[in-house]
Amino acid sequence: QSVLTQPPSMSAAPGQRVTISCSGSSFNVGKNFVSWYQQLSGTAPKLLIYDNHKRPSGIPDRFSGSKSGTSATLGITGLQTGDEADYYCGTWDNSLNVVVFGGGTKLTVL
Amino acid sequence: QVQLQESGPGLVKPSQTLSLTCTISGGSITTDLYYWNWIRQPPGKGLEWIGYILYTGTTNYNPSLKSRVSISVDTTKNQFSLNLASVTSADTAVYYCARFYGVDIAFDSWGQGTLVTASS
Repeated sequence: QSVLTQPPSMSAAPGQRVTISCSGSSFNVGKNFVSWYQQLSGTAPKLLIYDNHKRPSGIPDRFSGSKSGTSATLGITGLQTGDEADYYCGTWDNSLNVVVFGGGTKLTVL
Repeated sequence: QVQLQESGPGLVKPSQTLSLTCTISGGSITTDLYYWNWIRQPPGKGLEWIGYILYTGTTNYNPSLKSRVSISVDTTKNQFSLNLASVTSADTAVYYCARFYGVDIAFDSWGQGTLVTASS
């Protein structure tokens, strides 16, 4: 069981918007920056969002991040079939002294 | 642009030690404030952080693996390595090396990953 809680799966149609939640506690999400990763099938994770809401160079603005209290959210607009992937949130946990990840959300673009 | 590449045996017998190396190209492992990590992903499951090392040799390990894990650095070869002792089938996973900068836990560069199977 992961320290950070994400919905196991979500689905949406091309062109629609989806939000993926990441719920933690005051020891992790509530205290530290959250990052988000996209993992396409058979590949390594790729950084999508850092510092809760910032996008690395090359990441389209269809991807956005936010945080409120002990929850963080990844938003994806204008869904494309190429966005089908597993999405993970991650941060540091001050109590466990480890990097923690969510269990991952499998996004299906119908 | 920095690139990371894992290397090592793809098969390890139970009770033996898993050893992997991550080679960095396009950048220096001695760049200040970069943390060099190992992360693993069992087949069909999520990500688990194993630990990190700085070029100075400072390490931090996941407490759940701490008794079996050792991460070392070789600055002359621009590499860092993972040793995981007394492996069992539960250690079968894709192992990634990755880096983050400063106190911001955001892994901006990853290796392609290498599958290690613990089996006799």
